[in-house]
Amino acid sequence: DQQVKQNSPSLSVQEGRISILNCDYTNSMFDYFLWYKKYPAEGPTFLISISSIKDKNEDGRFTVFLNKSAKHLSLHIVPSQPGDSAVYFCAAMSSGAQKLVFGQGTRLTINP
Amino acid sequence: EPEVTQTPSHQVTQMGQEVILRCVPISNHLYFYWYRQILGQKVEFLVSFYNNEISEKSEIFDDQFSVERPDGSNFTLKIRSTKLEDSAMYFCASSTLNTGELFFGEGSRLTVL
Repeated sequence: DQQVKQNSPSLSVQEGRISILNCDYTNSMFDYFLWYKKYPAEGPTFLISISSIKDKNEDGRFTVFLNKSAKHLSLHIVPSQPGDSAVYFCAAMSSGAQKLVFGQGTRLTINP
Repeated sequence: EPEVTQTPSHQVTQMGQEVILRCVPISNHLYFYWYRQILGQKVEFLVSFYNNEISEKSEIFDDQFSVERPDGSNFTLKIRSTKLEDSAMYFCASSTLNTGELFFGEGSRLTVL
């Protein structure tokens, strides 16, 4: 079941630069997308979300872009900070459903 | 800041034994969930619980699994007869609305020998 895919298992970015994490999905019934961040020995923490009626949502240093025709979303973090080093999970859900479908995660490392 | 708490943090059990994982969701939340993550794999949905009943469950959540909210504060996951493949990190989560914006606990690591 690969409904949500994060093709990059890891990403390394210099502090202060932009981090771009990507996510693809196959299920056209998904209409709400989220990004979660996870530190070791902790549960996932909600970061930002976007509805399928939008193509961009911004919250401080974090921006999520949605390209529905390509079934692709991305998370931009700018500027990247050392505390952003974590595993980032993309997730999707359909309206009316209660389950999140997660991608495999991308480990982001911010180098000083 | 309110948080979801889970116990135990780590449990080791023999195959075939029953296990109960406990969670205390955030007090004013209405939706409750269990997810799991097998080592090296993605986080997977198990079950959601709303209005004192299961509202959605995955194909993983078979007859060996059950959930309960026995006293209005705790939310438990029971595995009746554990299998080796049940070894995973189990995450409890809760939310006020069904928006996907979940608050997760730190997880309970289950090791089945």
